[in-house]
Amino acid sequence: AQSVTQLGSHVSVSEGALVLLRCNYSSSVPPYLFWYVQYPNQGLQLLLKYTSAATLVKGINGFEAEFKKSETSFHLTKPSAHMSDAAEYFCAVTKGPGNQFYFGTGTSLTVIP
Amino acid sequence: GAGVSQSPSNKVTEKGKDVELRCDPISGHTALYWYRQSLGQGLEFLIYFQGNSAPDKSGLPSDRFSAERTGGSVSTLTIQRTQQEDSAVYLCASKTSGVNTGELFFGEGSRLTVL
Repeated sequence: AQSVTQLGSHVSVSEGALVLLRCNYSSSVPPYLFWYVQYPNQGLQLLLKYTSAATLVKGINGFEAEFKKSETSFHLTKPSAHMSDAAEYFCAVTKGPGNQFYFGTGTSLTVIP
Repeated sequence: GAGVSQSPSNKVTEKGKDVELRCDPISGHTALYWYRQSLGQGLEFLIYFQGNSAPDKSGLPSDRFSAERTGGSVSTLTIQRTQQEDSAVYLCASKTSGVNTGELFFGEGSRLTVL
């Protein structure tokens, strides 16, 4: 079975501070991992994805994530938070093409001016 | 269209009425997913269509929920005898099924309010 766990349903950071959103996965096979962002009253859009190539993945808006097999983690980071980063962030896992996607419960990021 | 289109964007209905939510996926995408997002909750998987295969209905919460996909394109999610706990945003997503794992492309959702 596969699943993802996002630690911390709410995270607050000051503008300019480091953003760290945690995601741990469980998978019986090498996973494909994704981070999505959801702005208010919008659908989800892809931030970045890991598909067994480089373990450090860079995404849009300055975000990146590192796949650590030993820790079964895929944490999302950004060196300096911007007000526009305030949103809901979801981690997701799938086994591969044609398989089900499993989403975490989401982390709401607040950026304090 | 360029993206996944969902309609209606907002639906208010009375308890006990039936509702239909429509999803028009990206052209050429063979996989289509329905998720439910309740206030403060994550994404709850409902149903998954992949090409001509039998759909994965394992996430449908009750027999009041059903979905179909006609011609491998447009999908309709039907909720019969709506209850207040059905109030949520219903998200549709589509993806390709090529050898490279593509990401899901989401619509903006249909917000259902059951009074």
